[in-house]
Amino acid sequence: EPEVTQTPSHQVTQMGQEVILRCVPISNHLYFYWYRQILGQKVEFLVSFYNNEISEKSEIFDDQFSVERPDGSNFTLKIRSTKLEDSAMYFCASTETGQGYGYTFGSGTRLTVV
Amino acid sequence: QQQVKQSPQSLIVQKGGIPIINCAYENTAFDYFPWYQQFPGKGPALLIAIRPDVSEKKEGRFTISFNKSAKQFSLHIMDSQPGDSATYFCAAIMNRDDKIIFGKGTRLHILP
Repeated sequence: EPEVTQTPSHQVTQMGQEVILRCVPISNHLYFYWYRQILGQKVEFLVSFYNNEISEKSEIFDDQFSVERPDGSNFTLKIRSTKLEDSAMYFCASTETGQGYGYTFGSGTRLTVV
Repeated sequence: QQQVKQSPQSLIVQKGGIPIINCAYENTAFDYFPWYQQFPGKGPALLIAIRPDVSEKKEGRFTISFNKSAKQFSLHIMDSQPGDSATYFCAAIMNRDDKIIFGKGTRLHILP
């Protein structure tokens, strides 16, 4: 079964440093997403991306965050200057049709900011 | 308005029992209600889903009950097994939207 692949599985970074989280969506999917889950809390929408531009972003997705599809396969989330409160599990997801019921999630990247 | 409230936060059930997880919503614009199952170290995976024009949906041992007037829905797991131990999230999606609104999750543990 096709998978969404995320790397790294765990990243530890110093506060103020930039991090890039990487995702390889399913090859025929056209809509890409990032969600985040702070430990013990609900999974929250960050951003959706289609046709090389952001479709929608949440209030969490401020100027410190950016997304990019640098080539035909990768989809990245960059946090420019990490804060302690950015520590969370970050999930990438993709869908073929942009419908909410067609999501496939990756296994996530656990980001720890120290 | 955009919230989905989920309870309980955690649940321990003996093997063979029927754990029940409840969710409630406010926004009547939601028109698709999926349940996700998440094992440690994995992302959420779609388990079963329902639309509000249906009162019940069964897939194997998993059943969703939906009460549109009360704006509540629940997941029942029949003949639960230790392998069902996971975190379960209810969720809601609005018509023509692709953003998932998740509940806070229920950590389920099935005792052998």
